[in-house]
Amino acid sequence: SQTIHQWPATLVQPVGSPLSLECTVEGTSNPNLYWYRQAAGRGLQLLFYSVGIGQISSEVPQNLSASRPQDRQFILSSKKLLLSDSGFYLCAWAGTNSYNEQFFGPGTRLTVL
Amino acid sequence: DQQVKQNSPSLSVQEGRISILNCDYTNSMFDYFLWYKKYPAEGPTFLISISSIKDKNEDGRFTVFLNKSAKHLSLHIVPSQPGDSAVYFCAASAIKAAGNKLTFGGGTRVLVKP
Repeated sequence: SQTIHQWPATLVQPVGSPLSLECTVEGTSNPNLYWYRQAAGRGLQLLFYSVGIGQISSEVPQNLSASRPQDRQFILSSKKLLLSDSGFYLCAWAGTNSYNEQFFGPGTRLTVL
Repeated sequence: DQQVKQNSPSLSVQEGRISILNCDYTNSMFDYFLWYKKYPAEGPTFLISISSIKDKNEDGRFTVFLNKSAKHLSLHIVPSQPGDSAVYFCAASAIKAAGNKLTFGGGTRVLVKP
């Protein structure tokens, strides 16, 4: 069966510090991978998605970047965090068929102070 | 521009009664719709989906209805149970969308009272 891991679970960082959040998927090959952010009391905003190694599509201009160095590894980064980067970050995977549900990881709660 | 909207931010229902959650969309290219359930500090879990070739899909206590002409879908939970208390998101996708992207609504918080 497939599982998806995210770490860390919670993170408190000062403004201006770097960020690296990691997501890995087990039990599947060549998945589509996604990063979402849920701001307090808001819906899920798609930040990045990837259909293969090294292939990253950005959905919204922002202070973040994503990378996919391996087939089942997806990393969300920032060189300098802003207060507005605080939120709940979710990684998800999906198969590559025409219709596929996305399956979410447990999330990372990021607080920027 | 919100392409998927859940106009009711919250819903309170008595245990054993029906919960009805609504979702509207504007993009006529959407042809696959999903509902997710989310508990605090956890990732969303997939509940049920429906393709645009159907108008109803049922799975146990959960039924999703799709009205394509009105660009409206709803999720019925019957009977509602205290464990159903969570935030519910509807999502939509288009078969031709790159990367099978989903567009999510803002969510509806459901509280089931014992």
